[in-house]
Amino acid sequence: DTAVSQTPKYLVTQMGNDKSIKCEQNLGHDTMYWYKQDSKKFLKIMFSYNNKELIINETVPNRFSPKSPDKAHLNLHINSLELGDSAVYFCASSQGNGAETQYFGPGTRLLVL
Amino acid sequence: AQTVTQSQPEMSVQEAETVTLSCTYDTSESDYYLFWYKQPPSRQMILVIRQEAYKQQNATENRFSVNFQKAAKSFSLKISDSQLGDAAMYFCAYRSPSTGTASKLTFGTGTRLQVTL
Repeated sequence: DTAVSQTPKYLVTQMGNDKSIKCEQNLGHDTMYWYKQDSKKFLKIMFSYNNKELIINETVPNRFSPKSPDKAHLNLHINSLELGDSAVYFCASSQGNGAETQYFGPGTRLLVL
Repeated sequence: AQTVTQSQPEMSVQEAETVTLSCTYDTSESDYYLFWYKQPPSRQMILVIRQEAYKQQNATENRFSVNFQKAAKSFSLKISDSQLGDAAMYFCAYRSPSTGTASKLTFGTGTRLQVTL
């Protein structure tokens, strides 16, 4: 009964390819997030959706496109992958988009060759 | 914009001893939330402890406690009776109570904790 799950856990791909990472939460939460953790372990918000509506869109290249088909899912599609996209991507969710605690998925390690 | 600073890239503690990890933050808000997350080698981000700024009492969760100094904008994590399983990266994080674009977590750069026998 995993709370926040991501697939795949590992993704190795060539530059220029398009790939997707899926996230699902079974906590009944309204808000979901994508964070990126770079090679120096620094974590930074990318996107947030509340009830399928985009509420946070940090300065992220438009090659990154989040999609929320319903409030339990937030997928991340990346076009034309670049070497610098190599990182660990974390999905998270919270009850609302206030101060509630965010719960994280296990992360997806993306390696672009 | 809020910033979070963790000035200790690495710390080491002997098993059963106590260690304190430092975190300072910068904000102009009077109400906010602070968190410590643990990231073991498995990469999973695990919530350790949470503190509401309006609460004067320091949060405690079993062997983990915080020293929250609001005026100094300091939020340190104390781990008592350290165990080998405590070895991990520890991240301090800030969150505004506001909704919408302010609902993101702002993380520090992390402190790697080693636990030795």
